[in-house]
Amino acid sequence: GQQVMQIPQYQHVQEGEDFTTYCNSSTTLSNIQWYKQRPGGHPVFLIQLVKSGEVKKQKRLTFQFGEAKKNSSLHITATQTTDVGTYFCAGVGDNDYKLSFGAGTTVTVRA
Amino acid sequence: SAVISQKPSRDICQRGTSLTIQCQVDSQVTMMFWYRQQPGQSLTLIATANQGSEATYESGFVIDKFPISRPNLTFSTLTVSNMSPEDSSIYLCSVEGPGGTEAFFGQGTRLTVV
Repeated sequence: GQQVMQIPQYQHVQEGEDFTTYCNSSTTLSNIQWYKQRPGGHPVFLIQLVKSGEVKKQKRLTFQFGEAKKNSSLHITATQTTDVGTYFCAGVGDNDYKLSFGAGTTVTVRA
Repeated sequence: SAVISQKPSRDICQRGTSLTIQCQVDSQVTMMFWYRQQPGQSLTLIATANQGSEATYESGFVIDKFPISRPNLTFSTLTVSNMSPEDSSIYLCSVEGPGGTEAFFGQGTRLTVV
């Protein structure tokens, strides 16, 4: 199955600044999903990207799927304290149904 | 969406004992997934549970250690058998939403083995 790498592992951000987390798969994905896990909580679905080169926005969050459908990014602008948590990408390979999770990016925010 | 009730939410167990975790879904689903999340780590799939057939285990996980039941389309259990401190982790059950897109997770079971 595919392996999904995610960087950085930790992101310490000043409130109001932007940051990006990146995911890269060893194989082509049919889709990639992003989840957020608050401290002590469970992963919560944010978005799914399916098409090559797809870009989706949710308020201050911008999600991108690469042209080759092997990489993805999540960009957050004007970080707020509510953005604290761990963001996971999770890829689904072609002809597969299982999610392969990246290592996650744990975000802390300095007020 | 799918609502999953998972219990227990946490437990402290003695080594050598077993713990059974239950997941109840508010709708019928074909597949249920069991994950392990070690402290500060990502989610690792243990097995996929289908109703009416044996669970499919991922590499590194075996049925004798993690037996799974799936008696109907809304319920599953995962047992962590003969526990050791290395089994201390968060265990999560998950289902796919309608259309097979997003995954919904239970609240998780935080297991500590002493």
